[in-house]
Amino acid sequence: AQSVTQLDSQVPVFEEAPVELRCNYSSSVSVYLFWYVQYPNQGLQLLLKYLSGSTLVKGINGFEAEFNKSQTSFHLRKPSVHISDTAEYFCAVSPQSNRDDKIIFGKGTRLHILP
Amino acid sequence: GAVVSQHPSRVICKSGTSVKIECRSLDFQATTMFWYRQFPKQSLMLMATSNEGSKATYEQGVEKDKFLINHASLTLSTLTVTSAHPEDSSFYICSARVRNPENYGYTFGSGTRLTVV
Repeated sequence: AQSVTQLDSQVPVFEEAPVELRCNYSSSVSVYLFWYVQYPNQGLQLLLKYLSGSTLVKGINGFEAEFNKSQTSFHLRKPSVHISDTAEYFCAVSPQSNRDDKIIFGKGTRLHILP
Repeated sequence: GAVVSQHPSRVICKSGTSVKIECRSLDFQATTMFWYRQFPKQSLMLMATSNEGSKATYEQGVEKDKFLINHASLTLSTLTVTSAHPEDSSFYICSARVRNPENYGYTFGSGTRLTVV
């Protein structure tokens, strides 16, 4: 079984400041890792994903994340946030298998950009 | 690529009526779709896994007679909330796993805001 922990339920940060949203996971099997963003009353939009290869993954909107297998982490970063980044961010994992296994979500982190 | 279209985006219905939500995979075949419910300021809660041509698999605590799922084709899955009550008001989201190497992962519909009055 897999689980995802997002350590911060809310993160306030000033506009143009850097931000890091933390994500740790546990799993007995190899996993794929994802970060999604959700704007109010909308579905989830993929920011980035780690499937294999380079552990530093770059996504949309200037976000990036680094997979750290030893620390079982996949923290999301952005060097300079904008007011439009205000949203809910979800870290998620899915097992690496050919079956249609469900994706497991963290509880989410609300990013609040301060003017 | 790998788009899931979900309709309606918003629906208001009277207590006791049924509401159908559709999810279509537009440019790929989805043998499996996932249905989620999301309460305000919370994460997504998986309700059921919808399999094309077979019965859906429901998560523990989800009433299968209340939340009817049909996956009649490789591109369409529906969730029907039967005899809806105010406590069923929520945000419902569907998702499908994409196996195309270029888009591998999970793609989500835009969600349906259900309000039962």
